[in-house]
Amino acid sequence: DADVTQTPRNRITKTGKRIMLECSQTKGHDRMYWYRQDPGLGLRLIYYSFDVKDINKGEISDGYSVSRQAQAKFSLSLESAIPNQTALYFCATSDRTLALEDGRQFFGPGTRLTVL
Amino acid sequence: AQTVTQSQPEMSVQEAETVTLSCTYDTSENNYYLFWYKQPPSRQMILVIRQEAYKQQNATENRFSVNFQKAAKSFSLKISDSQLGDTAMYFCALSNAGNMLTFGGGTRLMVKP
Repeated sequence: DADVTQTPRNRITKTGKRIMLECSQTKGHDRMYWYRQDPGLGLRLIYYSFDVKDINKGEISDGYSVSRQAQAKFSLSLESAIPNQTALYFCATSDRTLALEDGRQFFGPGTRLTVL
Repeated sequence: AQTVTQSQPEMSVQEAETVTLSCTYDTSENNYYLFWYKQPPSRQMILVIRQEAYKQQNATENRFSVNFQKAAKSFSLKISDSQLGDTAMYFCALSNAGNMLTFGGGTRLMVKP
């Protein structure tokens, strides 16, 4: 969805480095999510936020932190990157009302992260 | 907890033929939604089709249709008249009332000319 953007699109970093992935949306949605995709495992939820002051851990939050700077912005940080965090990372958004009526989420284009 | 299982890691089909991708799920909720997402080489997650659990009628979107068997907790995707552009990863996903999405491991579909 073009209304959900992620930066950078690709990143190569070294073990131990701090890295931040950013997500912005112009859909006006209140809910934002971070997922990671690994081969054979599909997408797994890292963190989610239902509004600026509400942040929750997902299935695989260890080694990650997040910041919801504004309703439109949700950042994912790796404080000290390790090779098994090499993956494709997706940001997604949804709306409280939409969640009840529809259930869908809208995805950004993904960030390919490689940790050497 | 809810789970989604896709038992076919890879499939192939000849162009213009029909293919069915399988998905089973488990949830304790009565109200939920099921989705099929397509991920082409561009990596973008594209919603293909959506089914509401309380609707018995199977969803259809052009060449894409589902076979939703609620009692069996099965949600398969049928692609008719397969096209080369259908080559992609396909993910089955389940959304509960709290809007939490759970994904299956994916099926890689190759459409052969």
